[in-house]
Amino acid sequence: QKEVEQDPGPLSVPEGAIVSLNCTYSNSAFQYFMWYRQYSRKGPELLMYTYSSGNKEDGRFTAQVDKSSKYISLFIRDSQPSDSATYLCAMSFQGGSEKLVFGKGTKLTVNP
Amino acid sequence: SAVISQKPSRDICQRGTSLTIQCQVDSQVTMMFWYRQQPGQSLTLIATANQGSEATYESGFVIDKFPISRPNLTFSTLTVSNMSPEDSSIYLCLVGGGNTEAFFGQGTRLTVV
Repeated sequence: QKEVEQDPGPLSVPEGAIVSLNCTYSNSAFQYFMWYRQYSRKGPELLMYTYSSGNKEDGRFTAQVDKSSKYISLFIRDSQPSDSATYLCAMSFQGGSEKLVFGKGTKLTVNP
Repeated sequence: SAVISQKPSRDICQRGTSLTIQCQVDSQVTMMFWYRQQPGQSLTLIATANQGSEATYESGFVIDKFPISRPNLTFSTLTVSNMSPEDSSIYLCLVGGGNTEAFFGQGTRLTVV
């Protein structure tokens, strides 16, 4: 079993839809959870950074962490064509090695 | 957030040659990593670049193939040595991590012919 599982999609939605992106993980020691957005031929950019369980909202984006289920989500409200990109989840441990472990990424297309 | 400059942005190289990729940060950072991104694959950690000491390599990656320098807290280089077409990939530096936000450089798209 991979440490982090993410459905690669592709996911195609109409403009204005609510998008739900998800990752599951196997190691309960992960404490920090991130979502990155990567446009074609660009480096990933950090969207959301959360610690432990709970929700975090930033504009149209909401990140959720459920540590009991080892499950994290990113919701995009009122999706726009400019949201079309690959979304990568990532997580890391607290203390010790602080390297990030990534999901494969989900390719999202928002159609006008 | 840190401003990260990664160079070159892309290169086409002959097999058997080496390429050095640079990552410059506008502030001192403790954690700096080098990742590889192959099509359809997760971002894979090559090594942790340690300031003033040898890099820490992940399983499957060795220093002779991917030598790394980290002379100070704002700069690191990754060399891809004796390249083959299988080394064609995107290489990314990442700064931060753990209990701090982590940011990527723009990436280096390497094609080996």
